Amino acid sequence: GAGVSQSPSNKVTEKGKDVELRCDPISGHTALYWYRQSLGQGLEFLIYFQGNSAPDKSGLPSDRFSAERTGGSVSTLTIQRTQQEDSAVYLCASSLRRGWGAEAFFGQGTRLTVV
Amino acid sequence: AQKITQTQPGMFVQEKEAVTLDCTYDTSDPSYGLFWYKQPSSGEMIFLIYQGSYDQQNATEGRYSLNFQKARKSANLVISASQLGDSAMYFCAMREITGGGNKLTFGTGTQLKVEL
Repeated sequence: GAGVSQSPSNKVTEKGKDVELRCDPISGHTALYWYRQSLGQGLEFLIYFQGNSAPDKSGLPSDRFSAERTGGSVSTLTIQRTQQEDSAVYLCASSLRRGWGAEAFFGQGTRLTVV
Repeated sequence: AQKITQTQPGMFVQEKEAVTLDCTYDTSDPSYGLFWYKQPSSGEMIFLIYQGSYDQQNATEGRYSLNFQKARKSANLVISASQLGDSAMYFCAMREITGGGNKLTFGTGTQLKVEL
């Protein structure tokens, strides 16, 4: 596709349920990031995938959060037993190159609301 | 310590004037990249400009320029000839080479409003 695609765009779920958020990166981009943005706040790093390397999971806030990337392309972020504090916009980004100069291109985000 | 500090939560500028959005950063790495992103009310993150730590000249992209002062660890964004469409949230970000250059760390952002 032309850009990073995320689905769903909006998700309302009940507290305690599990949710899956999907990200389709730009074709050919080897790096993929997940961020979380709470209302009016900056972006909180969650996890990073680069090719076949082990992901950098240092930003995951708890063991209820996990992510995988299949075939080096599509990624799924899973939140188990959702809590109200998980409500936020979850942004996915991808970049073409490894290294400090690689700009990241973002999707439109998934707005998660836990009720 | 904060990696990226944006001290201006909100800024106002009149149309056609220039505005500077402040960003300071903290790193001990010699190699790093600095980025600015724009986030309009629609929520998308739009890449604006990039500055590498070894770049000798300040980056420019159209009406955007990055005032890079390495010794002061600042990377301010300058928007010339502001337009109403520039009203948005602006984020400064840094990627360090430590850890393989994985994490792109963002500041808390500056909300810019352009007025007639």
